[in-house]
Amino acid sequence: TQLLEQSPQFLSIQEGENLTVYCNSSSVFSSLQWYRQEPGEGPVLLVTVVTGGEVKKLKRLTFQFGDARKDSSLHITAAQPGDTGLYLCAGETSYDKVIFGPGTSLSVIP
Amino acid sequence: SAVISQKPSRDICQRGTSLTIQCQVDSQVTMMFWYRQQPGQSLTLIATANQGSEATYESGFVIDKFPISRPNLTFSTLTVSNMSPEDSSIYLCSGMNTGELFFGEGSRLTVL
Repeated sequence: TQLLEQSPQFLSIQEGENLTVYCNSSSVFSSLQWYRQEPGEGPVLLVTVVTGGEVKKLKRLTFQFGDARKDSSLHITAAQPGDTGLYLCAGETSYDKVIFGPGTSLSVIP
Repeated sequence: SAVISQKPSRDICQRGTSLTIQCQVDSQVTMMFWYRQQPGQSLTLIATANQGSEATYESGFVIDKFPISRPNLTFSTLTVSNMSPEDSSIYLCSGMNTGELFFGEGSRLTVL
């Protein structure tokens, strides 16, 4: 069974601070994805990383895929209240299924 | 990207009854999935909805409890049968194209 772990589970920071969320697995995935979910809505895809060692940037968000394609990180620079939400990493398996990590609940305080 | 519509968006049901959730995608998707999510928690995959054939269920989920249909590439239904309070959850439909998942807003189900 392929499982994903995320840390931290909860994070509360002041506006303007930086933060990093980690996603780890003992298994290799075809790709890793990061989603953000707000209350009452479905998750929205932020980025997909496919190649080991890959780094992608989306404005203040930087995503990294580990060399062995088993782990990933999400770094947010100068967090803003609009970044508040549930951040989910997800792995695409070889059977075209996507499984989700437990999530990191981020709260950015103005 | 695909837009996914689910209905009902929420419902309150009595123990022992069944409810069918409908999922409509505005464009063809290669794969469709059903997930369950407790508020504030992560998503658990229930099954892959296969067009024209039986769904593929994940461990812990069975067809008798969660029958799924997918008559074409853009529509699927999930039925939650013989409901109990433990079935209270958010049920999310998703579609996949080229590895990207798109979600509806979910159906919040409360079983009394």
